[in-house]
Amino acid sequence: GAVVSQHPSRVICKSGTSVKIECRSLDFQATTMFWYRQFPKQSLMLMATSNEGSKATYEQGVEKDKFLINHASLTLSTLTVTSAHPEDSSFYICSAIRAVGPQETQYFGPGTRLLVL
Amino acid sequence: GIQVEQSPPDLILQEGANSTLRCNFSDSVNNLQWFHQNPWGQLINLFYIPSGTKQNGRLSATTVATERYSLLYISSSQTTDSGVYFCAVDLTGGGNKLTFGTGTQLKVEL
Repeated sequence: GAVVSQHPSRVICKSGTSVKIECRSLDFQATTMFWYRQFPKQSLMLMATSNEGSKATYEQGVEKDKFLINHASLTLSTLTVTSAHPEDSSFYICSAIRAVGPQETQYFGPGTRLLVL
Repeated sequence: GIQVEQSPPDLILQEGANSTLRCNFSDSVNNLQWFHQNPWGQLINLFYIPSGTKQNGRLSATTVATERYSLLYISSSQTTDSGVYFCAVDLTGGGNKLTFGTGTQLKVEL
């Protein structure tokens, strides 16, 4: 089946630093990827839609200058949390859309746990 | 925006028991999916079920789109079924953008 990976799986950083999270589709090309955030004991919240070759589309309330998204190739999207603060600590999950003919299926990565001290 | 509510929020079962999880949504949807999030956080797609009924082993799901709800049935539960179950909906013409429900935390005990 289709596989989506994320790197790193876990990261701890100091407040004020930037952290980059990678999302890769390993065996298919994805023109569209999504980034979600999940706080403990809560649901997943969509942050942004990452489109290959164009600017990301951010959901209401998500700061585009704080969460930089780059979809540089058909298999890689990156999320950079700039000037991270403790309130940015969360579980970040990406997904990638695989299209087979008219059917599109969304595959999820294993997530990245970010802890900002 | 669309509201997606799940019930119950928490559920504890003895191994071998059956259960029904419910997902209510407030608007018409193009797509509905059920996911299992394991204790390590990985989301596993269980069903793509915008309408009708599907079965896969001990799991089955039914969506009644006209009444805006979906049900996930788990039979003969096992400890490996533990985790969080989410339904997620894609609004009509939403382009695969999923809105996740509030989730049901399931714990299956021996």
